[in-house]
Amino acid sequence: AQKITQTQPGMFVQEKEAVTLDCTYDTSDQSYGLFWYKQPSSGEMIFLIYQGSYDEQNATEGRYSLNFQKARKSANLVISASQLGDSAMYFCAMREGRDNYGQNFVFGPGTRLSVLP
Amino acid sequence: DSGVTQTPKHLITATGQRVTLRCSPRSGDLSVYWYQQSLDQGLQFLIQYYNGEERAKGNILERFSAQQFPDLHSELNLSSLELGDSALYFCASSVWASLTGTSDNNEQFFGPGTRLTVL
Repeated sequence: AQKITQTQPGMFVQEKEAVTLDCTYDTSDQSYGLFWYKQPSSGEMIFLIYQGSYDEQNATEGRYSLNFQKARKSANLVISASQLGDSAMYFCAMREGRDNYGQNFVFGPGTRLSVLP
Repeated sequence: DSGVTQTPKHLITATGQRVTLRCSPRSGDLSVYWYQQSLDQGLQFLIQYYNGEERAKGNILERFSAQQFPDLHSELNLSSLELGDSALYFCASSVWASLTGTSDNNEQFFGPGTRLTVL
């Protein structure tokens, strides 16, 4: 079974509008972390936002927010006021295991976001 | 610039050969992670080292091995290369449990990657 599911292979959004990228995860760990990364066409991986499994509030970083619904095991990324530079591949990822022993990192297949002018 | 460096940037080699990819983590980060990104497999976690010791193994082939040296740089060795090993290989280092303290978010800082082409 896939541990990270991103059901939207591609998304389009109009510039200045908000967009939600879906991510669901599967783990039996009580302690885990969820991440979103952006990969522009240049290839580098850019960290966007993190949510810990024990965090009660949704994480926010500037225009990025993470809609964390633990019971549904979803961690959707919301980008507000989209910009042309947001066009990229977006990966949802999960870290299982809390300490430096036996951590496992799993990435989803990604969603390609295209921002239209 | 994430502060993680990887060399070389590009590598072209032939099947059956052996190559070594090098990674220098961010200053103070003790954890190094290796990932493989290919078109058909996506991003796959290969292996993690923490302060010189192997700590976690993902989908790493037996033909591949890694180590982390006392100065915390890491090398990924790929041997008996096959066409299917062509991919972008990322190294990342973690801010969690760094020499400067601890952080809850376990953010990984990725290097620019090494693009390996096996002909």
